[in-house]
Amino acid sequence: EPEVTQTPSHQVTQMGQEVILRCVPISNHLYFYWYRQILGQKVEFLVSFYNNEISEKSEIFDDQFSVERPDGSNFTLKIRSTKLEDSAMYFCAQGGLAGELFFGEGSRLTVL
Amino acid sequence: GENVEQHPSTLSVQEGDSAVIKCTYSDSASNYFPWYKQELGKRPQLIIDIRSNVGEKKDQRIAVTLNKTAKHFSLHITETQPEDSAVYFCAASDRGSQGNLIFGKGTKLSVKP
Repeated sequence: EPEVTQTPSHQVTQMGQEVILRCVPISNHLYFYWYRQILGQKVEFLVSFYNNEISEKSEIFDDQFSVERPDGSNFTLKIRSTKLEDSAMYFCAQGGLAGELFFGEGSRLTVL
Repeated sequence: GENVEQHPSTLSVQEGDSAVIKCTYSDSASNYFPWYKQELGKRPQLIIDIRSNVGEKKDQRIAVTLNKTAKHFSLHITETQPEDSAVYFCAASDRGSQGNLIFGKGTKLSVKP
């Protein structure tokens, strides 16, 4: 199973602040994904990123969200102005050789 | 878009018994159906998956069945053990890992020793 590393593991922020979550993906993979999971709820798709462009995004992924690959390796999810309801676990994911999806350990975001 | 329903929301079994979790999906174009196990505070981990060109897949004590006509798929765990206790999520996708996964709401499985 590919090892997808995410930082930070936990971030606490004030409402209205900007947050950047980072993912160190496996090299040579072209597809990256961000999912989120509000505590006690199901996993929800946010966005997929292919060849340095967004390929698909959900209704959750509004203008407050953005994704980038700033240095060609790390993959970031930015929330411009956090809201209380953004509190969740955010998972970065990548595809395996057979097309399956593997999740990173997640970043817990707490918005106060 | 795709909608995945999962039942039951909670399931309690005795160690050694079998457990079955069922999911239905709405989009007939979906062709990839993974199952994830999530322990408390951890990431979802893929335990088994099935594609629409097969009806059943087995991996030791875990099996998944797919009925494309009825648009439902099920996870079967035999000889359950306490370490099987976790939340299990089903998901569906119409493009494998090149598309998004739509998850069910999860089933909390408790295996009592």
